[in-house]
Amino acid sequence: GEDVEQSLFLSVREGDSSVINCTYTDSSSTYLYWYKQEPGAGLQLLTYIFSNMDMKQDQRLTVLLNKKDKHLSLRIADTQTGDSAIYFCAEKGADSSYKLIFGSGTRLLVRP
Amino acid sequence: DAGITQSPRHKVTETGTPVTLRCHQTENHRYMYWYRQDPGHGLRLIHYSYGVKDTDKGEVSDGYSVSRSKTEDFLLTLESATSSQTSVYFCAISDGLDTDTQYFGPGTRLTVL
Repeated sequence: GEDVEQSLFLSVREGDSSVINCTYTDSSSTYLYWYKQEPGAGLQLLTYIFSNMDMKQDQRLTVLLNKKDKHLSLRIADTQTGDSAIYFCAEKGADSSYKLIFGSGTRLLVRP
Repeated sequence: DAGITQSPRHKVTETGTPVTLRCHQTENHRYMYWYRQDPGHGLRLIHYSYGVKDTDKGEVSDGYSVSRSKTEDFLLTLESATSSQTSVYFCAISDGLDTDTQYFGPGTRLTVL
């Protein structure tokens, strides 16, 4: 079945850039999403990218998609302590009946 | 924020008791979903609904049932709770159009003793 993988943990210094990586197996993916989860809260949509795009930029966030390698990354510029959270990558396949497949999440810790 | 509420937000129950979790939306979205979140597993789909009285199973549906009698409400029932169902449960909604982005509720933390 489809699978989405992420590294578990990333630690960066405040002001540096963060790069969170994700790989997926479904070659029919249509949309790929990044969600942020703060402690005790639900998932908040950060951004998404359509599978025929290579890059999407939204303020401090840059999403890069390498469809050939099935690799997705989220870059956060000028990382702030408020960016500390768990980040989930998710993909939706063309034949997934509206279901999302989530990675296990990457915990980002921003050090002052 | 999308208008999604979940109730209760926290619940502690005993093994073998029935439990019902409620998801309520004010967005009139067609699709509703129940996920569970466990450490190391991300979010896994339990059941979803694509309309009133229309539901289907997700990847971890055993031990759970759902009902949707109105567009705005989606209920998740654990007929006889087990300790393995201790988890955080999230409801999500989507409109089924274009990007079909899913928006999540605040979650319900369920502990089965």
